[in-house]
Amino acid sequence: DAKTTQPTSMDCAEGRAANLPCNHSTISGNEYVYWYRQIHSQGPQYIIHGLKNNETNEMASLIITEDRKSSTLILPHATLRDTAVYYCIAEYSGGGADGLTFGKGTHLIIQP
Amino acid sequence: SAVISQKPSRDICQRGTSLTIQCQVDSQVTMMFWYRQQPGQSLTLIATANQGSEATYESGFVIDKFPISRPNLTFSTLTVSNMSPEDSSIYLCSAGHSAYEQYFGPGTRLTVT
Repeated sequence: DAKTTQPTSMDCAEGRAANLPCNHSTISGNEYVYWYRQIHSQGPQYIIHGLKNNETNEMASLIITEDRKSSTLILPHATLRDTAVYYCIAEYSGGGADGLTFGKGTHLIIQP
Repeated sequence: SAVISQKPSRDICQRGTSLTIQCQVDSQVTMMFWYRQQPGQSLTLIATANQGSEATYESGFVIDKFPISRPNLTFSTLTVSNMSPEDSSIYLCSAGHSAYEQYFGPGTRLTVT
């Protein structure tokens, strides 16, 4: 599993886009980038994942650099309910049963 | 998606005793996992719960301390044995059909006195 580096904490104003960076400079070609978040006192929640191409779903967008050494999770219109710890994970998932390796994550605080 | 429930939601136990945590999924899933989250920390994978066979444990976790059962595709249990205060944590179950997308239960908050 590639090591990931994220800022410890970030602030964002409500209604603005929240851009959460993640560095995974040692990622290998078959490792995906996953993002999960954990709202206080809840279990983690899957957000999005990608390999090479940028991805978008109803929750967020994932931008992966061409060299795949870093990525950015974008919450387009942050709300107070988006305050959570966001985890970036870089792992190979080749069809076997793989648990996830969580780092320390970024504590995102949405300010009213 | 899958909805995961855990029982109990919390418990306070005396050292030296054991607690069994149940994880129920609302649909059949391929994969189930158990994690531990110590106070103020991130999640650590304990083991993969394999249906019909012994669980696969991560480094630092052993079957004698954390026996796991998975009798079918919707249910698993984790037992924390011979507990000490260092076992005070939140224990989370996750499940899913692929490694790409796992769904987590709300967790079981365990306090050992």
